[in-house]
Amino acid sequence: KAGVTQTPRYLIKTRGQQVTLSCSPISGHRSVSWYQQTPGQGLQFLFEYFSETQRNKGNFPGRFSGRQFSNSRSEMNVSTLELGDSALYLCASRQTAYNEQFFGPGTRLTVL
Amino acid sequence: GGSVGLHLPTLSVQEGDNSIINCAYSNSASDYFIWYKQESGKGPQFIIDIRSNMDKRQGQRVTVLLNKTVKHLSLQIAATQPGDSAVYFCAEIRIQGAQKLVFGQGTRLTINP
Repeated sequence: KAGVTQTPRYLIKTRGQQVTLSCSPISGHRSVSWYQQTPGQGLQFLFEYFSETQRNKGNFPGRFSGRQFSNSRSEMNVSTLELGDSALYLCASRQTAYNEQFFGPGTRLTVL
Repeated sequence: GGSVGLHLPTLSVQEGDNSIINCAYSNSASDYFIWYKQESGKGPQFIIDIRSNMDKRQGQRVTVLLNKTVKHLSLQIAATQPGDSAVYFCAEIRIQGAQKLVFGQGTRLTINP
């Protein structure tokens, strides 16, 4: 069974631009969560989607948004990029709310 | 409130020795805890979890200990191998309407030959 895939793997943007990251969960997994990982803050929860509905949200500004499609694939969008948004963005999927999460390799976003 | 933190940011051990990675937490309402391993260029990988009503759980070469009295969690890796070199995170599951993982900062484990 294929693992969680994320595209693109690397991305370079400039301040003020917007970016969309994509995540394809493991087949059969209906829950997708997004995390931001930085050296200073570690791994921080962004949001979780289950069956196309946002079920939980972390403490990030409204510039960070996401959505989930009927095939469970998910996208996250960051608008008006800031330098501090440079990070590794990780996606994780699981079958239900009480299963182990499986992480993808992440998308490395650099904001210049 | 509540956070999950790591006692040491780095740890070096000799190959073949046992290693212990520690983690402190402050939210006594967490339902269970998970240890993840993250190798360079990869996402975190589940190692082992432990429910809050347990004190100890063993896996293959790994043991997790939970001390609820002092809110402390540890991961013991027996007979460390070069492939154990990675960053290790502890995370707690907080049920607040929906499950949410709260991660500690991570400990970098280096295995010396």
